[in-house]
Amino acid sequence: GQQLNQSPQSMFIQEGEDVSMNCTSSSIFNTWLWYKQDPGEGPVLLIALYKAGELTSNGRLTAQFGITRKDSFLNISASIPSDVGIYFCAGNYGQNFVFGPGTRLSVLP
Amino acid sequence: DVKVTQSSRYLVKRTGEKVFLECVQDMDHENMFWYRQDPGLGLRLIYFSYDVKMKEKGDIPEGYSVSREKKERFSLILESASTNQTSMYLCASNPAGGGGYGYTFGSGTRLTVV
Repeated sequence: GQQLNQSPQSMFIQEGEDVSMNCTSSSIFNTWLWYKQDPGEGPVLLIALYKAGELTSNGRLTAQFGITRKDSFLNISASIPSDVGIYFCAGNYGQNFVFGPGTRLSVLP
Repeated sequence: DVKVTQSSRYLVKRTGEKVFLECVQDMDHENMFWYRQDPGLGLRLIYFSYDVKMKEKGDIPEGYSVSREKKERFSLILESASTNQTSMYLCASNPAGGGGYGYTFGSGTRLTVV
């Protein structure tokens, strides 16, 4: 079945730094989503992308839907301590979504 | 505030017990899903349902069953709990034709089987 790869698996950054993470697949998707999961909570939707090439921002977050429809990236600018968590990408097939394994972000003060 | 509610945040059960995990959504969504989350493995789909009394197997259905008697409620059942079912369980929902709609997740149930 479909699989998504996320990189990096984990990252440690200093507060104030910018962050970049990406998600790739061998399959084409029509929708890409980015979720964030705080420790002990369920994932929360950050950004949804619906068209190849689309670039969407949500505050300090920016995400892009790759031209090939097989990848997406998420950037976080000027990181703050509350950005800590696991970031998941998801691509849709039919009415379901497949999730990547996640990128764990740690922000050092 | 729309939400997906999972009845328990933490559960500890003994090996061999029958375990029920309950999920209720108040958004009138047709589609509901159960995932388990394990470190390094991400979210894996156990079962899903597109309608009342309808269920479909996901990627890892072995050892689990589900029940959807009402639109708003989707229950996950561990027929005979085993230690390898210790995990975080996440329920999610989205509207019919939901390819364009992301899931709304519950807060999760962390199950420990001893």
